[in-house]
Amino acid sequence: DAKTTQPTSMDCAEGRAANLPCNHSTISGNEYVYWYRQIHSQGPQYIIHGLKNNETNEMASLIITEDRKSSTLILPHATLRDTAVYYCIVRGNQAGTALIFGKGTTLSVSS
Amino acid sequence: EPEVTQTPSHQVTQMGQEVILRCVPISNHLYFYWYRQILGQKVEFLVSFYNNEISEKSEIFDDQFSVERPDGSNFTLKIRSTKLEDSAMYFCASGTGMSGANVLTFGAGSRLTVL
Repeated sequence: DAKTTQPTSMDCAEGRAANLPCNHSTISGNEYVYWYRQIHSQGPQYIIHGLKNNETNEMASLIITEDRKSSTLILPHATLRDTAVYYCIVRGNQAGTALIFGKGTTLSVSS
Repeated sequence: EPEVTQTPSHQVTQMGQEVILRCVPISNHLYFYWYRQILGQKVEFLVSFYNNEISEKSEIFDDQFSVERPDGSNFTLKIRSTKLEDSAMYFCASGTGMSGANVLTFGAGSRLTVL
């Protein structure tokens, strides 16, 4: 699986959009981009994933550049409860392949 | 919404003792996983399980670890002879295994403290 690079930490004001970048310049054609988060010591929580097209769900939007070498997770209106470690994971499409977590980005949302 | 359930939530054990951590994956999921997270460190993959056998494992998953699906619902992680360094949160996860869209659902974790 391709390696990802994320900033160690980011801050965001409550109510503002949080834009979390991820670089995956070695991504290959059949690899998906997944975003998970971990709030305190809870189990990781799935947020969103995509292959080429931008994706949106009730939690977030995922913007993938045309060359697929980077992506941005957008939390449109961050709340204090969005304070967490956010993981960008690139993963092949072989069935059942395990997720490999990096260190992620610690997002701190403050009022 | 379907959940992955883990028990116990916290277990304290003496070094050298055997520990079994239990998980009930989501019922229609076919792939099962164990991860661990030592305090302050990243989430580490241990093992994946499919069709009653290990499909993938990491270097961490050595001979002191084993996994089993003893019945149609439970998925267990056994640590034979615990060491101090086994103290960690252990997360179980399950997924449908569908190619390309295999979203994993994680449980809340079992905290293991080895004294």
